[in-house]
Amino acid sequence: GNSVTQMEGPVTLSEEAFLTINCTYTATGYPSLFWYVQYPGEGLQLLLKATKADDKGSNKGFEATYRKETTSFHLEKGSVQVSDSAVYFCALSGGSNYKLTFGKGTLLTVNP
Amino acid sequence: ETGVTQTPRHLVMGMTNKKSLKCEQHLGHNAMYWYKQSAKKPLELMFVYSLEERVENNSVPSRFSPECPNSSHLFLHLHTLQPEDSALYLCASSQGRDSRNEQFFGPGTRLTVL
Repeated sequence: GNSVTQMEGPVTLSEEAFLTINCTYTATGYPSLFWYVQYPGEGLQLLLKATKADDKGSNKGFEATYRKETTSFHLEKGSVQVSDSAVYFCALSGGSNYKLTFGKGTLLTVNP
Repeated sequence: ETGVTQTPRHLVMGMTNKKSLKCEQHLGHNAMYWYKQSAKKPLELMFVYSLEERVENNSVPSRFSPECPNSSHLFLHLHTLQPEDSALYLCASSQGRDSRNEQFFGPGTRLTVL
């Protein structure tokens, strides 16, 4: 079945540092890949997505590239801010069914 | 109200109580979901409704009973829960059958079972 593995964290960075959160996946066929973010006290929000190999999703300075050869979708940001402190979830979908498969989430804390 | 709302935000109940969680979406979507979020575990999909019909039930214990009276409202009825059911319960909605479509989440209900 489908599965997602992401670095467990927690990750603690200083403001303006470079961020990478690793995500690898196992899936049949050609899944779509997502990063969701959960700010304290809130539900998950879609941060970015990519629907086919070599696509790059980007939003709010975050980027992730769908790498089929390495089955990866690593999240990066060049300069993090305190407001980026949140839990980040990597997820994949398998096509026409409803199910999203999530990783366990990575807690990011950015200090001023 | 906009987006997906959930009530109550916090709930404490004993193992013999009966309670219900409510979710409402104001986005015109036709699919709604219940997820369970526990510490150190991936989000678990519990139930999926499309056009008010349940299309997926991931082997959830019968002490959880969903209800979807219309496309905007979703309930999760709880009875004789166990302490291990304590978690954050998230509701989500989306448009269409395709899981590539974005799911919009509510803020969740933090449930504690004593």
